[in-house]
Amino acid sequence: EIVLTQSPGTLSLSPGERAALSCRASQSLSSSYLAWYQQKPGRTPRLLIYGASTRATGIPDRFSGSGSGTDFTLAISRLEPEDFAVYYCQHYGTSPRTFGGGTKVEIK
Amino acid sequence: EVQLLESGGGLVQPGGSLRLSCEASGFTFSNFAMSWVRQAPGKGLEWVSTISGNGGNTFYADSVKGRFTISRDNSKNTLYLQMNSLRAGDTAVYYCAKDFGGGYYFPTDYWGQGTLVTISS
Repeated sequence: EIVLTQSPGTLSLSPGERAALSCRASQSLSSSYLAWYQQKPGRTPRLLIYGASTRATGIPDRFSGSGSGTDFTLAISRLEPEDFAVYYCQHYGTSPRTFGGGTKVEIK
Repeated sequence: EVQLLESGGGLVQPGGSLRLSCEASGFTFSNFAMSWVRQAPGKGLEWVSTISGNGGNTFYADSVKGRFTISRDNSKNTLYLQMNSLRAGDTAVYYCAKDFGGGYYFPTDYWGQGTLVTISS
């Protein structure tokens, strides 16, 4: 089973700042099979990025994904008030799929 | 508009069984793989199972393998999760989810609102 470790656990930032979230895999992934999701309190997750770097439909271009092998990053260029949420990475290239533990982006 | 409506959750004693259903609409159901993902109260997301669009391939998390069975009825646009030998650790909101394509190697792009399963004596 591939273990995904997300860091930091919590990121405290102000609106307008840049966020960089890390997802590290226990073994090398095909970069085609890494996704990022956003979840707000009481809401269902929303797909942001798939294939490590492709934005899902309707996702603003301030969200970007990058990385390969075992190290992946989700960047949010300028935080908007609606971006404060929990973010999860997930791989879907082998079974079982696994999620990272999540990074909470909170208002500083 | 994609809609996924789960049902079947509730309170069950340890060792018991439960069957979840998910009625799908707004897309050609048989063209897409479907998944179940769960989230324990206050915890992160945990993938449970995925079934291919034609139902011919199924995949399970190690934590549920041998106890849970995913299935689908494409004539009824409905996804199922049969859960047996339930444990306290299975307590969670169970989300029905549509994948981006018909096979296994696609992310999830739509989620239902979830149904709560509570395992307690």
